[in-house]
Amino acid sequence: NAGVTQTPKFRVLKTGQSMTLLCAQDMNHEYMYWYRQDPGMGLRLIHYSVGEGTTAKGEVPDGYNVSRLKKQNFLLGLESAAPSQTSVYFCASNHGEGATQYFGPGTRLLVL
Amino acid sequence: EDQVTQSPEALRLQEGESSSLNCSYTVSGLRGLFWYRQDPGKGPEFLFTLYSAGEEKEKERLKATLTKKESFLHITAPKPEDSATYLCAVAPYGNNRLAFGKGNQVVVIP
Repeated sequence: NAGVTQTPKFRVLKTGQSMTLLCAQDMNHEYMYWYRQDPGMGLRLIHYSVGEGTTAKGEVPDGYNVSRLKKQNFLLGLESAAPSQTSVYFCASNHGEGATQYFGPGTRLLVL
Repeated sequence: EDQVTQSPEALRLQEGESSSLNCSYTVSGLRGLFWYRQDPGKGPEFLFTLYSAGEEKEKERLKATLTKKESFLHITAPKPEDSATYLCAVAPYGNNRLAFGKGNQVVVIP
């Protein structure tokens, strides 16, 4: 089992460019999450999904969109990147509310 | 609002010098408390889940305990490979989200 995988590992964008981050899990988990991690801020939830076809806003959703077309995949999109979105992005998944979340290796994003 | 506070922010230990990390939390109703380990440039790695006050869990040199207001992660006779940031998170009832603390950065010096 690969667990949770993320693509790409690292990306540099110019302000205004768009990109999509891909998260995939092979644990048949219903719930999936996108977090960002910034120095001194801890992990903050961007969006999450409680099942295929569903999405919901987290703590810091502005500037991001998500889609969950397949149970195993959760996509995070930046339509018009801003320097404030420079961060490390982590995807996680679990079986449901209160269950242990398992994290991917992260995507480091630099917006110039 | 659910809050998690971890202390100390940073800790330097000599190899073999045991210590404890603290995670204080306020939550409307606790479904579970989680400890993760994070190495530089990597994702959080799951260590423990605690569900009720009085519960304890152990793994090698690590032992996690839980009370109604806080959790401790005890590191016994640490080795340099225990150097990492340890993250604490709580899962409230009726909420799909985890609330994370900012972490305890631990450096173990040989």
